[in-house]
Amino acid sequence: GAVVSQHPSWVICKSGTSVKIECRSLDFQATTMFWYRQFPKQSLMLMATSNEGSKATYEQGVEKDKFLINHASLTLSTLTVTSAHPEDSSFYICSANLGGVYSNQPQHFGDGTRLSIL
Amino acid sequence: SQKIEQNSEALNIQEGKTATLTCNYTNYSPAYLQWYRQDPGRGPVFLLLIRENEKEKRKERLKVTFDTTLKQSLFHITASQPADSATYLCALSGAGSYQLTFGKGTKLSVIP
Repeated sequence: GAVVSQHPSWVICKSGTSVKIECRSLDFQATTMFWYRQFPKQSLMLMATSNEGSKATYEQGVEKDKFLINHASLTLSTLTVTSAHPEDSSFYICSANLGGVYSNQPQHFGDGTRLSIL
Repeated sequence: SQKIEQNSEALNIQEGKTATLTCNYTNYSPAYLQWYRQDPGRGPVFLLLIRENEKEKRKERLKVTFDTTLKQSLFHITASQPADSATYLCALSGAGSYQLTFGKGTKLSVIP
């Protein structure tokens, strides 16, 4: 149980393109999902917390107009990287836990999306 | 600012031996500490969670200790196998907080 699916797994596109990444909880409802970014040999950095039916909460230094998050249902959150540039190339990973926003339950991660901007 | 350090970027160990990975933290009083495994190109997979009032947790060949005085957690894999080769991440969170702060990870290689 507690499976999180992320799509696509790999994207290569030209600079200036907008890219949408989907994160789905397959066998549970997730009122809260989390979006991370990971650069090579670096730790996962939390970008934002996605809340179903309300605005996402962004971490300091993350541009909310650049990284648009939509959490329209209890099983789907999307991250759109708008007008992507080479410096946005990274590994983007989503996660969710069973207990919601105030829970310290372990997080279940998707398999990530490798984004390469040419 | 909060800082998490995992002792080494890479650790090589002979098959059958016990692997010990270290996670140290500063400027933080976590209520929970978690260990995850991450394979190349994949998302992290949860392994163990230990609370601040727990000294030790075990799961099969895995053991985690949590010393809030030393601000340190040790992660042990006994009878290590080549299939245990991966990057292991420690992550901390506070009481009532859902946010996880991750270390950079230690890449473990178990040599046959």
